[in-house]
Amino acid sequence: TQLLEQSPQFLSIQEGENLTVYCNSSSVFSSLQWYRQEPGEGPVLLVTVVTGGEVKKLKRLTFQFGDARKDSSLHITAAQPGDTGLYLCAGVKTGGFKTIFGAGTRLFVKA
Amino acid sequence: DVKVTQSSRYLVKRTGEKVFLECVQDMDHENMFWYRQDPGLGLRLIYFSYDVKMKEKGDIPEGYSVSREKKERFSLILESASTNQTSMYLCASSFPGGLPYNEQFFGPGTRLTVL
Repeated sequence: TQLLEQSPQFLSIQEGENLTVYCNSSSVFSSLQWYRQEPGEGPVLLVTVVTGGEVKKLKRLTFQFGDARKDSSLHITAAQPGDTGLYLCAGVKTGGFKTIFGAGTRLFVKA
Repeated sequence: DVKVTQSSRYLVKRTGEKVFLECVQDMDHENMFWYRQDPGLGLRLIYFSYDVKMKEKGDIPEGYSVSREKKERFSLILESASTNQTSMYLCASSFPGGLPYNEQFFGPGTRLTVL
């Protein structure tokens, strides 16, 4: 059982569509991070959210941290083929020090 | 440009062989990590090190050991490789302090196949 559950596991969409992926847990996290991993590469950090209810925008990507700090979402507007990759959420539990990773959402955007 | 490099992108070994995976970072980071990545399981922490010659077990240390003789280098050792150790191995590094917010910088990964 994953401490951080990501959904959906796989998503294939057309260029220009919008999408949302989710990262959920029953535990409270002091921070949550989103990474993107492209084929043949290691994950690269996109954003860190630390305050319940926080919303951060990175161009067409919008990240939200749940009010209770147990979940997060990533919304992509007008997806492009360059958004293709594996999106991983990662978090540090309140009182902990170790980063825990979800299994990821694999996104494929068709031109 | 910050960099974490791993000694091999692809590696094929036989059951019972001793395997060394090397990782080097050029960012003067104190923390270094070894993960394995398997489909549907995400990244699982094998070992981490917060200083030279210091190491801590992660979630799945069995069958692995590590060495950190220099700050920039962190090695993962499979004492006697087994087929269930076939996986993608990722090395990462980060600064210490303010741990919950630390960005981890990853290498490109080593895809290890044990036959």
